[in-house]
Amino acid sequence: NAGVTQTPKFRVLKTGQSMTLLCAQDMNHEYMYWYRQDPGMGLRLIHYSVGEGTTAKGEVPDGYNVSRLKKQNFLLGLESAAPSQTSVYFCASKPGGPTGELFFGEGSRLTVL
Amino acid sequence: SQQGEEDPQALSIQEGENATMNCSYKTSINNLQWYRQNSGRGLVHLILIRSNEREKHSGRLRVTLDTSKKSSSLLITASRAADTASYFCATPPVGGGGSNYKLTFGKGTLLTVNP
Repeated sequence: NAGVTQTPKFRVLKTGQSMTLLCAQDMNHEYMYWYRQDPGMGLRLIHYSVGEGTTAKGEVPDGYNVSRLKKQNFLLGLESAAPSQTSVYFCASKPGGPTGELFFGEGSRLTVL
Repeated sequence: SQQGEEDPQALSIQEGENATMNCSYKTSINNLQWYRQNSGRGLVHLILIRSNEREKHSGRLRVTLDTSKKSSSLLITASRAADTASYFCATPPVGGGGSNYKLTFGKGTLLTVNP
């Protein structure tokens, strides 16, 4: 049982390049999330999904797009990377319902030069 | 928007001592959660306390919740070097209606336990 798996774990991009981060969970969870973590800022929610085929904006959605075509996968895309998007990105998932713990992946460290 | 805020930002203690971290939040919640993050790793859930609970225990962890003061504390007893990590409280966002399907996290407390 792998839990939440993020790929890639590390990536270096040049300004203007695009890329996609993949999050996969094998726990049949309804909810999935993308957070970014920056020094001194804590975790901030980028986008989330409450079910297959649905997505919604979080606190800092600008510059990112997401898709949830399959229940187990949640993709985070950067269409034109900017240095301000240098961060550590965490995916998380949660079973359906209003409460319950989040299960996190190990993070993807992205550097935009 | 950010709801919870941990205090202190950093805490350094000796092995065997107790560590206390606090979390203050702004609006009514139906539950509050604590997470731990080891350096370079993802967050791991520690404990969830509901609004109708005042205290909850899990091993060496004790969490309290004071809804009148909108605050929570996490106590780690008999700390070990392996407890060195960042600790975060997580709550529903301001205006979130209490549902925590969309949690917000504080900036965390960095705990260092010296051998």
